[in-house]
Amino acid sequence: NAGVTQTPKFQVLKTGQSMTLQCAQDMNHNSMYWYRQDPGMGLRLIYYSASEGTTDKGEVPNGYNVSRLNKREFSLRLESAAPSQTSVYFCASTEGGSGRYGNTIYFGEGSWLTVV
Amino acid sequence: QKEVEQNSGPLSVPEGAIASLNCTYSDRGSQSFFWYRQYSGKSPELIMSIYSNGDKEDGRFTAQLNKASQYVSLLIRDSQPSDSATYLCAVNVGTSYDKVIFGPGTSLSVIP
Repeated sequence: NAGVTQTPKFQVLKTGQSMTLQCAQDMNHNSMYWYRQDPGMGLRLIYYSASEGTTDKGEVPNGYNVSRLNKREFSLRLESAAPSQTSVYFCASTEGGSGRYGNTIYFGEGSWLTVV
Repeated sequence: QKEVEQNSGPLSVPEGAIASLNCTYSDRGSQSFFWYRQYSGKSPELIMSIYSNGDKEDGRFTAQLNKASQYVSLLIRDSQPSDSATYLCAVNVGTSYDKVIFGPGTSLSVIP
């Protein structure tokens, strides 16, 4: 069972470069998420997608764009990377769906991004 | 002010003791509450979820919810060294069941 797969696992970027983090889930989940984790800050929600075709801002969306390509895939793009975006990024998914709440969120293994 | 707050750590308890982790949230419309555990360098994994006021027990873990006080806690009985990890409280935001935000986490160390 692959679960949630995200790539790349490690990346070093120069300030101003762009890149896309890819995420795919094989659990037929409706909802997908991108979080970032910094020391002492817990997980902060960047964007989420409640269903295929929809995306919504989270707590810290500035500097990021997302695409829900289909039900399986949810990508995160940094258009012009900044040192403040150095972080660990987690993609996640949950069954979700209208009227459903409290479902377990499953996380990918994380992507370590350094912007120099 | 962050919408989900947790007691600052790190928290150290001796093996066999009870560890108490606390979380407060600001959105009165929240309905779903979760505790995740995260080992260093790993991704978070769900320990428990709770939706109704009161206690919910699962093995050595007990989650307690008080919506009036906007407070949720996690008790770990008979703490083991393997429980040493960061514990993250998570809450859905208002009526959006899909929008789930996390607290800053509390680091727990269980001393043998």
